[in-house]
Amino acid sequence: GAVVSQHPSWVICKSGTSVKIECRSLDFQATTMFWYRQFPKQSLMLMATSNEGSKATYEQGVEKDKFLINHASLTLSTLTVTSAHPEDSSFYICSAWDQKANYGYTFGSGTRLTVV
Amino acid sequence: AQKVTQAQTEISVVEKEDVTLDCVYETRDTTYYLFWYKQPPSGELVFLIRRNSFDEQNEISGRYSWNFQKSTSSFNFTITASQVVDSAVYFCALILTSTGNQFYFGTGTSLTVIP
Repeated sequence: GAVVSQHPSWVICKSGTSVKIECRSLDFQATTMFWYRQFPKQSLMLMATSNEGSKATYEQGVEKDKFLINHASLTLSTLTVTSAHPEDSSFYICSAWDQKANYGYTFGSGTRLTVV
Repeated sequence: AQKVTQAQTEISVVEKEDVTLDCVYETRDTTYYLFWYKQPPSGELVFLIRRNSFDEQNEISGRYSWNFQKSTSSFNFTITASQVVDSAVYFCALILTSTGNQFYFGTGTSLTVIP
């Protein structure tokens, strides 16, 4: 079935540094990927929609200059958290649409970011 | 506006008991999909079921069953004879094909099965 590989699974970084999270579709081409953020004991909230070859669409309240999204190929989307601060500590998870998959949507395994 | 409500924040049951997780959704669209996902402590989302808005047939998969009722905009999930491994957070979600396949998640229900 459709597989989305997300790396790293966890990362600890110092405040002020940048962190890049990768989301790869392994056996299908994903023209659209979605990035979600989940704070502890809360639901998943859509941050942005990543479209291959074009600019990402950000949800209201999400700083596009802080959360840089690049979708340069049909199998890779990246989320870079720039100048990370402790309040950016969260669980980030990507999702991709594969029309051939049984249920269409596949999620990555998530990345737990801790900013110290 | 689209919305998914899971009124039960936390549920605890004793092993082998049955438990039902409630999900109520709001949308004006006529074409949509409903999902249930399981999120264990490790964080990954485990797909459980997808149901489209035109299919109100209830479904059973092993100990899991789902009751979809458009009349009440509900998509409830029942676990029969619960097991400790069922302990997780369960999310109900909605997708509207009109909005580009974006998920609208409920707030989740944390289920603890006590041995």
